[in-house]
Amino acid sequence: DAGVIQSPRHEVTEMGQEVTLRCKPISGHNSLFWYRQTMMRGLELLIYFNNNVPIDDSGMPEDRFSAKMPNASFSTLKIQPSEPRDSAVYFCASSSLGSPLHFGNGTRLTVT
Amino acid sequence: DQQVKQNSPSLSVQEGRISILNCDYTNSMFDYFLWYKKYPAEGPTFLISISSIKDKNEDGRFTVFLNKSAKHLSLHIVPSQPGDSAVYFCAATEFYNQGGKLIFGQGTELSVKP
Repeated sequence: DAGVIQSPRHEVTEMGQEVTLRCKPISGHNSLFWYRQTMMRGLELLIYFNNNVPIDDSGMPEDRFSAKMPNASFSTLKIQPSEPRDSAVYFCASSSLGSPLHFGNGTRLTVT
Repeated sequence: DQQVKQNSPSLSVQEGRISILNCDYTNSMFDYFLWYKKYPAEGPTFLISISSIKDKNEDGRFTVFLNKSAKHLSLHIVPSQPGDSAVYFCAATEFYNQGGKLIFGQGTELSVKP
């Protein structure tokens, strides 16, 4: 299995631009999570889905952030408009019931 | 409100000695705890876990201890090896077997010196 696949690995964009991060979970996993890693807060949960349905989006910082999971094999996290304080590493992870999370290698976002 | 806290941002240990990483939590409803290890430019990978009904779980050189009354857990690595140098994240959840969310701490960067 290829594991959780995230794209792009790196994204550099200007303030105000739209950013879309992509994730392909491990086949057969029914839960998908988006985390953001910062020095101050460590790994922060933004949103998670069970069976493609958003369960908890209380970690999404603002309305500028949105996430979708149109099917079991794909999810996106969108930031519109982006701001410099959104600069961080964004991780996608997937799991099946009772199993540990498997993380992708992350997308490093830099907003200038 | 940080429900899972790792108060030591970094730890340096000599090769062959014991590494002890600590983690505190505030939510008494957490029923499962995990440790993840992260190398630079990679995602975190699962290391070891413990259910709230236990106070110790061991896997090779890694042992996790849970003190529910103190809301504290620790990860012991014995003996420490240079390849153990990484960032270690503590995580907790209250609905592990129902696909519940994992809450992570800030991480502790371990450096094992030869």
